[in-house]
Amino acid sequence: GDSVTQMEGPVTLSEEAFLTINCTYTATGYPSLFWYVQYPGEGLQLLLKATKADDKGSNKGFEATYRKETTSFHLEKGSVQVSDSAVYFCALSDHAGGTSYGKLTFGQGTILTVHP
Amino acid sequence: KAGVTQTPRYLIKTRGQQVTLSCSPISGHRSVSWYQQTPGQGLQFLFEYFSETQRNKGNFPGRFSGRQFSNSRSEMNVSTLELGDSALYLCASSLPSGGSTDTQYFGPGTRLTVL
Repeated sequence: GDSVTQMEGPVTLSEEAFLTINCTYTATGYPSLFWYVQYPGEGLQLLLKATKADDKGSNKGFEATYRKETTSFHLEKGSVQVSDSAVYFCALSDHAGGTSYGKLTFGQGTILTVHP
Repeated sequence: KAGVTQTPRYLIKTRGQQVTLSCSPISGHRSVSWYQQTPGQGLQFLFEYFSETQRNKGNFPGRFSGRQFSNSRSEMNVSTLELGDSALYLCASSLPSGGSTDTQYFGPGTRLTVL
């Protein structure tokens, strides 16, 4: 079945540091890939998405490139801010054979803490 | 456009009781998915509804059920609550366009505590 593996956390960085959160996936079909962010006490917010190989999703300084050859979708940001402190989830949507309607498969989440 | 809304935001129940959670999708969205989030199991898919029909179901016991109304609003019900049902329950809505590219937009969740 489908699965998503994220790098172990938590990740602690100083403000303006470079961020990478690794994400790899296993999928039956040709999935779409997503990064969601969850702030304390809130639901998930879509950060970015990519729907085909070599697509780059970007938003608010975050970027991730859909790499089919390495089945990866790593999240990067050049300079993090304290306000980026949150939990980040990598997810995939795979409609192979029409058996996965409305289902996102999530990684375990990575807690990011940014210190001033 | 208003986002996904969930009510109530917090619930406290005791073992053996049942509970109903409500989700109102973004206007125009016809698909509603439900997820359970716990520290141990992470985010797990419960089920998805589209046009009042359940199209997909995750690996949860029959105590977990749901429905969707003609206005796309959805409810989920958990009967005979167990301590392990304590979790954040999230719903998400999407158009959908029919493929895997659909984006799901999440509500703030309902925090259920079972005592």
